Amino acid sequence: DGGITQSPKYLFRKEGQNVTLSCEQNLNHDAMYWYRQDPGQGLRLIYYSQIVNDFQKGDIAEGYSVSREKKESFPLTVTSAQKNPTAFYLCASSSLGTSISGANVLTFGAGSRLTVL
Amino acid sequence: ILNVEQSPQSLHVQEGDSTNFTCSFPSSNFYALHWYRWETAKSPEALFVMTLNGDEKKKGRISATLNTKEGYSYLYIKGSQPEDSATYLCAPSYGGSQGNLIFGKGTKLSVKP
Repeated sequence: DGGITQSPKYLFRKEGQNVTLSCEQNLNHDAMYWYRQDPGQGLRLIYYSQIVNDFQKGDIAEGYSVSREKKESFPLTVTSAQKNPTAFYLCASSSLGTSISGANVLTFGAGSRLTVL
Repeated sequence: ILNVEQSPQSLHVQEGDSTNFTCSFPSSNFYALHWYRWETAKSPEALFVMTLNGDEKKKGRISATLNTKEGYSYLYIKGSQPEDSATYLCAPSYGGSQGNLIFGKGTKLSVKP
């Protein structure tokens, strides 16, 4: 079955450590996204990529880094520079096209919950 | 920063009740409006994408309407069932087909049997 796999599901990190969240998709989607969810807030965009070897900052990119070396993979690194990293992280992907019908509809992974101790 | 408002924040209904909730968004440079359903412990799933003023979409007992001139969308659920319990997210996009989605905080629906 096609879909998006995020790992790990739960992650604990000590302050000052970097941690990498994995996101893999087998949907042949061009675009991939990372969102962050905090209690009482909407999903906020961290980074996105529309093509291999290229990515753009979203609304809250500070303290995060990404790479897109393969179409299927878009890992997110939460660095020690991120002031408040405890959150739920969602990865998503979408196809790109000029037709609105089906274009840019997001398919989401199951999420990763990061807790900083 | 664009502000997307969803109301109510949460809703508790009995099985069989019909319900509706609202998504309000800035109408300037609007391109499309997405609705997603997010059940607990699962991934958010797309319900509808709408672009045209007056658009109406239906999927089983769930339907949605769109008013792009005044910047709002309604989601209706007819005869709610316990399996409809979820958080419903709306997300407009702006500036063309490549515009990123701006998510509201969601409406959490609980349907009691």
